Amino acid sequence: GAGVSQSPSNKVTEKGKDVELRCDPISGHTALYWYRQRLGQGLEFLIYFQGNSAPDKSGLPSDRFSAERTGESVSTLTIQRTQQEDSAVYLCASRKQGPNTEAFFGQGTRLTVV
Amino acid sequence: DAKTTQPPSMDCAEGRAANLPCNHSTISGNEYVYWYRQIHSQGPQYIIHGLKNNETNEMASLIITEDRKSSTLILPHATLRDTAVYYCIVKGAGGTSYGKLTFGQGTILTVHP
Repeated sequence: GAGVSQSPSNKVTEKGKDVELRCDPISGHTALYWYRQRLGQGLEFLIYFQGNSAPDKSGLPSDRFSAERTGESVSTLTIQRTQQEDSAVYLCASRKQGPNTEAFFGQGTRLTVV
Repeated sequence: DAKTTQPPSMDCAEGRAANLPCNHSTISGNEYVYWYRQIHSQGPQYIIHGLKNNETNEMASLIITEDRKSSTLILPHATLRDTAVYYCIVKGAGGTSYGKLTFGQGTILTVHP
């Protein structure tokens, strides 16, 4: 596709359920990022992939959060036993290899935990 | 990664130049300065980036001071659609932070008629 695609665009889930959020990066982009943005707040870094490995997982807020990437392509962010404080927009971005390439963002998945 | 400091908000009249400052006094020699913006309810959008020299593209100009401790993003003729949060980022250049993009709180730019 032409840009970074995220699905679903909106997700409402009950507290305690697990959710999976998907990101399809731009083809050929080796770096992939996940961010969380709570209402009215800035972007909070979660995790960064270079290829299929994650050199920086420092932003994952708890062990309920995990992410994987396969085929240097699609990535899935999984939140287990969701809590109300997990409600946010989850944004994905991808970037080509190189020290000075720009990142392209998807439109995000709006997660609401009720 | 070097930290950045931006004013929380700025106003600009439509048609005038908007000059958005950013301080990054701890920037390393091989770190780039990036600017992104986020219009309400959308994902962030890349604007411009630079290392040492001033840069210009179809969206904006980036002026980096000689000591690289600060920079200014210039939107030469602001329009109402430029109202957004503008983020100045210094991108990590090595180790596990290579490529990491850390967003601060940004500057809320409001362009008014």
